[in-house]
Amino acid sequence: DSGVTQTPKHLITATGQRVTLRCSPRSGDLSVYWYQQSLDQGLQFLIQYYNGEERAKGNILERFSAQQFPDLHSELNLSSLELGDSALYFCASSLLDTSAIYGYTFGSGTRLTVV
Amino acid sequence: AQTVTQSQPEMSVQEAETVTLSCTYDTSESDYYLFWYKQPPSRQMILVIRQEAYKQQNATENRFSVNFQKAAKSFSLKISDSQLGDAAMYFCAYRTPSSGAGSYQLTFGKGTKLSVIP
Repeated sequence: DSGVTQTPKHLITATGQRVTLRCSPRSGDLSVYWYQQSLDQGLQFLIQYYNGEERAKGNILERFSAQQFPDLHSELNLSSLELGDSALYFCASSLLDTSAIYGYTFGSGTRLTVV
Repeated sequence: AQTVTQSQPEMSVQEAETVTLSCTYDTSESDYYLFWYKQPPSRQMILVIRQEAYKQQNATENRFSVNFQKAAKSFSLKISDSQLGDAAMYFCAYRTPSSGAGSYQLTFGKGTKLSVIP
């Protein structure tokens, strides 16, 4: 157990639907990052939150949105789903300032399949 | 924008032998951090080793070591005495320098799948 909890582990849904992925960061970590890993691809950065505020955006589609709540857990909302959104979605957390020393702690991911 | 390139999609190594995975990156920054992550079939991303760009000494962690060539923008991972448990996807990653607003996202390469042959 890395300390970062992602739910659900697997999700199968139909095109056009909306889903919410949840991430609880490791205790004490203030920063949450979302990454998308498609087949045969590396991890693509989507978005980062720090202590409730959006800090950086990557190649995140307009159909996707995220937020970080006061208890520091984060949710990634994916809407109007397309087949190409099928991927493994990772959440990672860090204490921000020490991220370069200890790296980032990753969750085990949510496998999203759009059918 | 920073890019990370792993030119070897797949590699294999005999158990107990040594293997080197390649990684190159592109950046205009002088200070940054580099990482190797391992992703076994369990999908968990596991930090293997990290390197600070301002340090000339190559990082080592037990059987894992890096060859960091800053001028060449190269960051290869050497695995010595390979074990069956080393079989996994290996990702090279670059940490974006702080933008002042505290953005620390990682930029990943596409990965190298390592197979270990008994």
